[in-house]
Amino acid sequence: AQSVSQHNHHVILSEAASLELGCNYSYGGTVNLFWYVQYPGQHLQLLLKYFSGDPLVKGIKGFEAEFIKSKFSFNLRKPSVQWSDTAEYFCAVSSNNDMRFGAGTRLTVKP
Amino acid sequence: GAGVSQSPSNKVTEKGKDVELRCDPISGHTALYWYRQRLGQGLEFLIYFQGNSAPDKSGLPSDRFSAERTGESVSTLTIQRTQQEDSAVYLCASSLTSGDYNEQFFGPGTRLTVL
Repeated sequence: AQSVSQHNHHVILSEAASLELGCNYSYGGTVNLFWYVQYPGQHLQLLLKYFSGDPLVKGIKGFEAEFIKSKFSFNLRKPSVQWSDTAEYFCAVSSNNDMRFGAGTRLTVKP
Repeated sequence: GAGVSQSPSNKVTEKGKDVELRCDPISGHTALYWYRQRLGQGLEFLIYFQGNSAPDKSGLPSDRFSAERTGESVSTLTIQRTQQEDSAVYLCASSLTSGDYNEQFFGPGTRLTVL
């Protein structure tokens, strides 16, 4: 069965710092990749997704993620975080109608 | 509706009692998913419904867990004889259809506490 690993459980940054959250998956076939975000008190919502084409995907609020097939990775990045980016971030991998989520990374941005 | 809704938002129950959790998906969404999120852990897939097809129950952790869906509308997740390890947030999501390309829209969740 496929699995998704997010190695950072809690990341604390100051505003304007750069962000990179790791996501690795274990599955050898064709996959579709997602990052979801859950802001405090809000629902999980889609941040960005990759299905095919350019492996560098841009999402909302200045986030981007790069699919590196050889490393089975789909890391999330943002060049300069804001206090409003404080949230929990979940990586997800879907293949053959089987979607698996990572454990999530809690991001705290200090003003 | 405007989004996925779930009720109740919070449920506190005693060990051994049965509970029912409700999910109203977005109108027109044929696929519906249930997940469980224990404290500090990721989303654990429980079950998914696609239209009138037989549901995929492969994620249900035990026979105490069951779910039903009426057509392409409301779904109910039932946990019988609750145990303390059932304490978690139960999330429901819906999507236009099933399949790898479809974004799932999540509800606010039901926080279940089993005393």
